Amino acid sequence: DVKVTQSSRYLVKRTGEKVFLECVQDMDHENMFWYRQDPGLGLRLIYFSYDVKMKEKGDIPEGYSVSREKKERFSLILESASTNQTSMYLCASSPAAMNTEAFFGQGTRLTVV
Amino acid sequence: RKEVEQDPGPFNVPEGATVAFNCTYSNSASQSFFWYRQDCRKEPKLLMSVYSSGNEDGRFTAQLNRASQYISLLIRDSKLSDSATYLCVVIPLTGYNKLIFGAGTRLAVHP
Repeated sequence: DVKVTQSSRYLVKRTGEKVFLECVQDMDHENMFWYRQDPGLGLRLIYFSYDVKMKEKGDIPEGYSVSREKKERFSLILESASTNQTSMYLCASSPAAMNTEAFFGQGTRLTVV
Repeated sequence: RKEVEQDPGPFNVPEGATVAFNCTYSNSASQSFFWYRQDCRKEPKLLMSVYSSGNEDGRFTAQLNRASQYISLLIRDSKLSDSATYLCVVIPLTGYNKLIFGAGTRLAVHP
């Protein structure tokens, strides 16, 4: 079974804190993604990575950065958390081959107070 | 304009009903299309791919109209367990397997 694991289900952080969200996949997938999901807006792509140390901005990268030092791990960093970053964060991975299924982690519900 | 647009619903239907969802996409060069399903408080999971010739999986039928840039999902004989949010997904021709999601259509099937 493909497994994508996010480090936390729920997080509460204070405004201005640096926040790390970790994601690990065990299927040797080349692609990894970070999305945020908000009511009425659906899943919006923050960043994705197609290889180790490679990253591409998605639709809403402002206020976020990412790190992919190892193939199985993709980290999302909120440099200085703000209340408008309160959201559900979903990590996904997929093989490099086109038109293939993406597998999601269970999500991290982040609340910034 | 959003890249992928869906009617948010909710669609409230009785068991046994047939229900159809549509999704439109703006990038004519999009190459791959999917429907994902998301249950409440769960992660999205692939329901089915959408092929140009249309495809069927049991009670579910997906169709693609490239000329009009829309995708549809038809669910026949709805079950209570079909209650979920259905997400339309498009992969644009960028060279990467980058998934663009619609906001989702919520379906509630009642007895």
